[in-house]
Amino acid sequence: GQQLNQSPQSMFIQEGEDVSMNCTSSSIFNTWLWYKQDPGEGPVLLIALYKAGELTSNGRLTAQFGITRKDSFLNISASIPSDVGIYFCAGQLNSGGSNYKLTFGKGTLLTVNP
Amino acid sequence: ETGVTQSPTHLIKTRGQQVTLRCSSQSGHNTVSWYQQALGQGPQFIFQYYREEENGRGNFPPRFSGLQFPNYSSELNVNALELDDSALYLCASSFGGGGADTQYFGPGTRLTVL
Repeated sequence: GQQLNQSPQSMFIQEGEDVSMNCTSSSIFNTWLWYKQDPGEGPVLLIALYKAGELTSNGRLTAQFGITRKDSFLNISASIPSDVGIYFCAGQLNSGGSNYKLTFGKGTLLTVNP
Repeated sequence: ETGVTQSPTHLIKTRGQQVTLRCSSQSGHNTVSWYQQALGQGPQFIFQYYREEENGRGNFPPRFSGLQFPNYSSELNVNALELDDSALYLCASSFGGGGADTQYFGPGTRLTVL
């Protein structure tokens, strides 16, 4: 099935550093979401973006919905050890059709060295 | 407010068997979506249920089927299990008319097919 292009695949950083990851698509979406998944758990919603150009923050997390509606990025500032996990982007197309499935990227594995 | 719950947590089956996975949606939500997440991949959309009807389907064969009950809980059934069906199965609930509302995930059921 379709997956979004998410990069980088993995990151190994020192505590306190800032992190940036992004997601691109060949088709447009009108909602972008970022989830975090810990091992053996389901994805937990971090940020939802509903409008092209929108910039939204949630604590140390900031995400933007690209103007072209085909991309999004997530920044994490001043990383801490509990930021470790897999981060997924997901796009949703709300076209007035009958289903609003999420299309996910392959994930970015973040490791934070204390 | 009760979150999304899934049962069982883990399941081991043999090839050719049938399996039923269960999901209880978050309080106030009327839509359930099911996803399959293979190891190292992002979740892939299987189907969505709204008002007890299938409301969209991903690229999965007919041996993947589902139900939604009047209390909005849902089941995923998989017949004639294959080795490649081994994955984490996630359900997500949302509120909408098959609408664009944000999806919240349960912890998943880990299915192993031997």
